[in-house]
Amino acid sequence: GQQVMQIPQYQHVQEGEDFTTYCNSSTTLSNIQWYKQRPGGHPVFLIQLVKSGEVKKQKRLTFQFGEAKKNSSLHITATQTTDVGTYFCAQAGAGSYQLTFGKGTKLSVIP
Amino acid sequence: DAGVIQSPRHEVTEMGQEVTLRCKPISGHNSLFWYRQTMMRGLELLIYFNNNVPIDDSGMPEDRFSAKMPNASFSTLKIQPSEPRDSAVYFCASSLEWTDSNQPQHFGDGTRLSIL
Repeated sequence: GQQVMQIPQYQHVQEGEDFTTYCNSSTTLSNIQWYKQRPGGHPVFLIQLVKSGEVKKQKRLTFQFGEAKKNSSLHITATQTTDVGTYFCAQAGAGSYQLTFGKGTKLSVIP
Repeated sequence: DAGVIQSPRHEVTEMGQEVTLRCKPISGHNSLFWYRQTMMRGLELLIYFNNNVPIDDSGMPEDRFSAKMPNASFSTLKIQPSEPRDSAVYFCASSLEWTDSNQPQHFGDGTRLSIL
């Protein structure tokens, strides 16, 4: 089945530094969703990208969908300790209910 | 609004015992998903239901696992007999019915299962 590769697996940053995680697929994605899971918590939906080249912003978070719809990225500007957690991308097959999650990028923020 | 409710939050039992995990989806959501999360494999979809009907159970590891959704407000995931390798966090998630675009999934707090 389709798989999304997510990199890096881990990222440690100083508070105030930027952070980016990437999600790559070998096949064209119909859409992509991003989730955040705090330590000990559950995944929480952040956003969905559907259109080629789409860019969406949520405060310090910027989400992009590649022109070929084969990759996506999440960029956090000036990280804060509240950004700590694991960020997952998830893709669905066309016409499918099923979401396939990447392995996630675990973000640590050093105060 | 109440989110997805799972019980129990924690379960510790000995191998060979039957384990039943429970989930109450968000009212009005037509789709329900069971996931398992481990360090090694990440977040894996086990089974999902649409309008109480199992659509795809290809993620269920083996016959020891079974899931039911007798009505729109309740689902169970059962493991019998349980084994130590079943230890994981099990999440239930629900969403509105997917049409031509995918819907966000809303996750419960999970059940942390330890099989000794």
